[in-house]
Amino acid sequence: NAGVTQTPKFQVLKTGQSMTLQCAQDMNHEYMSWYRQDPGMGLRLIHYSVGAGITDQGEVPNGYNVSRSTTEDFPLRLLSAAPSQTSVYFCASSPTQGGDYTFGSGTRLTVV
Amino acid sequence: AQKITQTQPGMFVQEKEAVTLDCTYDTSDPSYGLFWYKQPSSGEMIFLIYQGSYDQQNATEGRYSLNFQKARKSANLVISASQLGDSAMYFCAPYPYSSASKIIFGSGTRLSIRP
Repeated sequence: NAGVTQTPKFQVLKTGQSMTLQCAQDMNHEYMSWYRQDPGMGLRLIHYSVGAGITDQGEVPNGYNVSRSTTEDFPLRLLSAAPSQTSVYFCASSPTQGGDYTFGSGTRLTVV
Repeated sequence: AQKITQTQPGMFVQEKEAVTLDCTYDTSDPSYGLFWYKQPSSGEMIFLIYQGSYDQQNATEGRYSLNFQKARKSANLVISASQLGDSAMYFCAPYPYSSASKIIFGSGTRLSIRP
């Protein structure tokens, strides 16, 4: 099925550990973004990309790295996990002409 | 920085009534669309409706319609004949054409439908 695929769906990390959240889309969308959503809150933009090899910071980039080596994939790396990074992480993609912003199902991350 | 305001953190509406969810923003981009998304308690983000910057008429999708007033930088979502399944969080997001990859969402409105 076409769409945005996020893995894993759930993850528990210990403070200080690193990990990569995976995001892949098969719609040939140029734009991809990562958001975090804390309990009872809205979505905050972490990083975004306008195409392969091009990324930029969003509202809350500290503690996260991204890269975009292909159009399809946009992984998010947590360098040294902290309890404040406990959240649900959403990846999204869209074509350049707009009107179709597709979200993945999310990754629920707990840092203990 | 772009700011989106959803002034109604929580709303209670009787089933079958119409409801209007407010959204205002301060983007300086002259060309922009606007999205509304629904997030039920299960957590997924569900696309509801989108209106492009140059669309002549307000967008409609079934029971959802947009009251898009660009001069006022306002884009309210109207849900007609509300249903119990409409209980969810609702988020709006302007889609500036000059920075279309950097979409910022409002803080959301929690809508609860009473039977």
